[in-house]
Amino acid sequence: AQSVSQHNHHVILSEAASLELGCNYSYGGTVNLFWYVQYPGQHLQLLLKYFSGDPLVKGIKGFEAEFIKSKFSFNLRKPSVQWSDTAEYFCAVNARGQNFVFGPGTRLSVLP
Amino acid sequence: DVKVTQSSRYLVKRTGEKVFLECVQDMDHENMFWYRQDPGLGLRLIYFSYDVKMKEKGDIPEGYSVSREKKERFSLILESASTNQTSMYLCAISGRADTQYFGPGTRLTVL
Repeated sequence: AQSVSQHNHHVILSEAASLELGCNYSYGGTVNLFWYVQYPGQHLQLLLKYFSGDPLVKGIKGFEAEFIKSKFSFNLRKPSVQWSDTAEYFCAVNARGQNFVFGPGTRLSVLP
Repeated sequence: DVKVTQSSRYLVKRTGEKVFLECVQDMDHENMFWYRQDPGLGLRLIYFSYDVKMKEKGDIPEGYSVSREKKERFSLILESASTNQTSMYLCAISGRADTQYFGPGTRLTVL
């Protein structure tokens, strides 16, 4: 069965700091990879996704993620965070013909 | 814009009550899903449906059932609510592109 792990439960950064949130999955076949974000009081929104092609994927609000197949990883990055990036971030994996599997989430707090 | 609506944002019920959570989409997508979201556990799939009158169990179906009589509507039913079903319930839809789109969620408290 697939599983998704996220390295940190809670990350605290100051504004302008760089961000990297780790995500690893366990599945040997072809996968689609996603990062979702949930701002306080709002619904889950798609941040970015990877299906195939360039392993460096750019998403909304300056986020990007890199798929490293050999490491089964799909880490999320942002060069300079803002207070408005405070949210919970979920990594998700979807193997062909199978359901989504979500990671436990990482809560990001950005201090002004 | 994808629109997924859920019948209530907040709901308080008593143990043993029958609870209906409804999800409606306006995108004509075939696939609809119910998840529950709990701190530290992420999202866990309860049930899903790929077509009208079709349903499949997810990872944690115990204590739940679903109904999909129309393509745009997918209901989650708690036959006899229990306190361990206190949670945030999320409905999601997806089309052929495999991306899931979520509703705003229903925070259910069972007393």
